[in-house]
Amino acid sequence: DAKTTQPTSMDCAEGRAANLPCNHSTISGNEYVYWYRQIHSQGPQYIIHGLKNNETNEMASLIITEDRKSSTLILPHATLRDTAVYYCIVGTGNQFYFGTGTSLTVIP
Amino acid sequence: EAQVTQNPRYLITVTGKKLTVTCSQNMNHEYMSWYRQDPGLGLRQIYYSMNVEVTDKGDVPEGYKVSRKEKRNFPLILESPSPNQTSLYFCASSFLTSGGDTQYFGPGTRLTVL
Repeated sequence: DAKTTQPTSMDCAEGRAANLPCNHSTISGNEYVYWYRQIHSQGPQYIIHGLKNNETNEMASLIITEDRKSSTLILPHATLRDTAVYYCIVGTGNQFYFGTGTSLTVIP
Repeated sequence: EAQVTQNPRYLITVTGKKLTVTCSQNMNHEYMSWYRQDPGLGLRQIYYSMNVEVTDKGDVPEGYKVSRKEKRNFPLILESPSPNQTSLYFCASSFLTSGGDTQYFGPGTRLTVL
């Protein structure tokens, strides 16, 4: 049973912000929200994670709603190299359920 | 450089011929795991290990074996490969955590079983 729901695919114009939504309505209090991405068939790459507060790093921002039932990953200035499958994952500890993610295409 | 390495990266074999895919990490991580990725199914966990000599089944363990004799290595063994094990395989590692840590993934091994 999927813990997260993401759109299958999205497009974004190069240079614009890419906003990738994720629903996780059954998240429990001690579960984190993680985002990973996979470019072509390479190994998934960590982007960002959070528990309750919004988070920002050099790659992206993570906005988590107050009820923690959904979140949004923001890539502030998408480039062609950001074209990838983005996975939203919730969990504690080390066990991850990846799902099928959102295929983001950045358009020139 | 911190990394997870897998060998081989590509392998074509025949049904029933035993094979081993190696995985090694240089970050002193306690936790290691194996995933397989198939079109339309995302990544599914095969086996995981929380430390030396401690392994457990993931979601799709049938047809696979693992061992963890050393902290840095976690080989995946297919005793008698079958065509339905044709897939892209990833090894991952991380510190053992109650949450908030990241997993590092290897580059993948593409296996074809004829």
